[in-house]
Parts: sequence; C-alpha cells; structure tokens
Amino acid sequence: AQSVTQLGSHVSVSEGALVLLRCNYSSSVPPYLFWYVQYPNQGLQLLLKYTSAATLVKGINGFEAEFKKSETSFHLTKPSAHMSDAAEYFCAVTSGTASKLTFGTGTRLQVTL
Amino acid sequence: NAGVTQTPKFQVLKTGQSMTLQCAQDMNHEYMSWYRQDPGMGLRLIHYSVGAGITDQGEVPNGYNVSRSTTEDFPLRLLSAAPSQTSVYFCASSTSGRVGGQETQYFGPGTRLLVL
Repeated sequence: AQSVTQLGSHVSVSEGALVLLRCNYSSSVPPYLFWYVQYPNQGLQLLLKYTSAATLVKGINGFEAEFKKSETSFHLTKPSAHMSDAAEYFCAVTSGTASKLTFGTGTRLQVTL
Repeated sequence: NAGVTQTPKFQVLKTGQSMTLQCAQDMNHEYMSWYRQDPGMGLRLIHYSVGAGITDQGEVPNGYNVSRSTTEDFPLRLLSAAPSQTSVYFCASSTSGRVGGQETQYFGPGTRLLVL
C-alpha cells in the first residue's frame, strides 16, 4: 500500500518569499513521486517527478523538489514566489508496476503582495 | 494534438438518472484512468485501463462502470446517480500502465457533476 501526506492545507507567502510545500510518502517498494499543480477551474499539470535518476529534481516555473529516503519526504520549493504561483498543489505517488496515482489532499498556495 | 478532452464540462442530474462522461485522447496512450476530486480529499482513482478491452477497479469504483473498446476513448457511466457522486471528475492518460509507473499522466480539464 502507498500513501501521501501533505502537511498544511493552506500556505500563504509574500511575493518574493520562499515557497515550501511539504509532502511525506509511505510505500512498501521504491516509489515514483510527482508534484502536480491545479489552477482554478482547470485540470492538473505536472510540475516535476522523481523516478530514481537524481534526488534533486527540477521542474517547470522554477520549482524543484528533493527526494529524501531517510525522511520519506519529497518537499516542493521555489526560491521566490510570484503571484502567478497561486494555485493548488498535489503530491502523488506510484509504486510497483502500475501507474495508479495516489494523491495527497492538496495544499492551496496563496501569494500576497 | 488536443490532448485529453472531456465532455460535458458541467452537468446537473437528478437522483436516479443515468449519464455517461466522455473522455478521449489523441496521443495513442495505452493507459487511461478516471479520478474524482472532492474538497479536502485530493483525487481518488475510480477505474483505470491499461489498454483496449482491459479495465480494472480503483479505490472508489462503486456506482461507476467503464469500458474501453478503443485506444482513444474511455467513457465513465453512472447508472443511477446519487448525491454522493456530486464531484469533479478528471480523466487522465499516459503512455503505458503495464510497467514502471513513472510515466507522466496527462489530465483533461474535468467535468463538474451536481446530483440533486
């Protein structure tokens, strides 16, 4: 069985501040981990994914995430928030031979002036 | 490419009515899936398919049926709608669901369903 926990359903940061969205996973086999972003009234778009090639993964729009096996974490960061980053962010995991994604409950990011 | 398309965008049903949510992709993807999104619960897998003629249940399959007669289409059927099925439904596809699990899944824009 696999699961994902996202700490903090709402995160608010000032424009230009560091963005840190937390994700912890549980998996009985080596996981593949994903971050998706959802803008209002839209579908989900892939930000980045970890597939065991490198522990530090860079994605689109300046986001990156680091896979830490010892902490079972895959936190998403961005050095400087922009107003356009306001959205809901989902961490997800697959494992084994299937592509079935298990999602966290999401974190809504608010960016203020 | 249009990617993953879903119709309708919004639908209102009465309890007990039936309907089909349509999903199509033009990327020749083998793997297709349906999720529902509810506030505070993230997305949950309803059904999935690893290829034409092959379907399987996900985490929350009760009340939903699927079939996969072609690679392109993966409709989701509600046989007798219930208020608990009020949700936003997303279809997704990826190149293959048979190995790895690392493939990127591409999501459609969603269908908002309200069951009264």
